[in-house]
Amino acid sequence: QKEVEQDPGPLSVPEGAIVSLNCTYSNSAFQYFMWYRQYSRKGPELLMYTYSSGNKEDGRFTAQVDKSSKYISLFIRDSQPSDSATYLCAMSEKTGFQKLVFGTGTRLLVSP
Amino acid sequence: KAGVTQTPRYLIKTRGQQVTLSCSPISGHRSVSWYQQTPGQGLQFLFEYFSETQRNKGNFPGRFSGRQFSNSRSEMNVSTLELGDSALYLCASWGGTTSYNEQFFGPGTRLTVL
Repeated sequence: QKEVEQDPGPLSVPEGAIVSLNCTYSNSAFQYFMWYRQYSRKGPELLMYTYSSGNKEDGRFTAQVDKSSKYISLFIRDSQPSDSATYLCAMSEKTGFQKLVFGTGTRLLVSP
Repeated sequence: KAGVTQTPRYLIKTRGQQVTLSCSPISGHRSVSWYQQTPGQGLQFLFEYFSETQRNKGNFPGRFSGRQFSNSRSEMNVSTLELGDSALYLCASWGGTTSYNEQFFGPGTRLTVL
């Protein structure tokens, strides 16, 4: 069993929808949680970086961490076709971006 | 500010050969991490170099090695290539200490082993 589980999708939504992306994990030592967006043939791009439990908002993106349930989420409001990409969660026991463990990614398709 | 650059972008090798990939981080960033991305396993951590020292290491065999130079540029080397080493190799740079909360990935080097 992988340390970080993520539904591969694809997840198809209409433009303007609220998107919910999720990851579960098994290692209770994870303290740092990230979300990345990866377009085809590009490197991942950091979207959100959070520490421990709680919520963090940045524009149309909201990241939630529930350490008691070992569950993290990324919400995208007012989704746009340009949001179509693969979304990767990642987490680490160590500060910053050391030794990240990634989920396999969820492919999101936003149709106009 | 220039982004993370990786060279070469594409590489074709045969089994048994060795390969060296290069990564130039964002100016001022002292940490460079390497990841292998495959369709089956996703992104897997190889190792991280911080100020020329290997700070973290993933669960890859000793055929995978790396180093970092005084200008923070990093190289990774894979010896005795196997078919399963075919992957996208990504490097990521960040400041390396808790005062930084930004990290950038390069575009990757796509390695094909025949």
